[in-house]
Amino acid sequence: AQSVSQHNHHVILSEAASLELGCNYSYGGTVNLFWYVQYPGQHLQLLLKYFSGDPLVKGIKGFEAEFIKSKFSFNLRKPSVQWSDTAEYFCAVTNTGGFKTIFGAGTRLFVKA
Amino acid sequence: EAGVAQSPRYKIIEKRQSVAFWCNPISGHATLYWYQQILGQGPKLLIQFQNNGVVDDSQLPKDRFSAERLKGVDSTLKIQPAKLEDSAVYLCASSPPRGHEQYFGPGTRLTVT
Repeated sequence: AQSVSQHNHHVILSEAASLELGCNYSYGGTVNLFWYVQYPGQHLQLLLKYFSGDPLVKGIKGFEAEFIKSKFSFNLRKPSVQWSDTAEYFCAVTNTGGFKTIFGAGTRLFVKA
Repeated sequence: EAGVAQSPRYKIIEKRQSVAFWCNPISGHATLYWYQQILGQGPKLLIQFQNNGVVDDSQLPKDRFSAERLKGVDSTLKIQPAKLEDSAVYLCASSPPRGHEQYFGPGTRLTVT
């Protein structure tokens, strides 16, 4: 069955700590990969995306993610988090036609000032 | 650019009643999605429209849920009759032509008592 797994449901970090959120997927065929973020009181918004090409993609606010095809993973990273990064982060997968979107359960990140 | 609009923002109904949600996507976005997000879970795709045609409704509980997108612009999602387990946030999203990133609205929080 198609699925997206986010390993950590809750993460607490201090400011300036490094962040890595795991995302693994089970999905037949070639995929498009996304990370979305929902800041408190705001809509879900796109953080970054991977369609093809360089497996290391950079998004907004200093975030990046690496697609490792052999591991079916698309982990999100940021070298130094800020209090303003407190949010819920969702990994999502679609097929290359943009259909059959599946979201992970999300990871709540709390950054202590 | 105006974002995805949804109404109402909140709705409380009793079980067995009916309810309808409205969504107006970003102008020019051909693809429209409805998601159900239950507390503590990621969004679950209910239905995807391309213009005014349905391209995926495999996870829509068709015995009680229906959706339409007349004229290929705004859309309504209806639940009739509602059950307690339908309590969730209903998200609408849209995508531009030739793009698969999704732009989300604020959602409608439904409580079924």
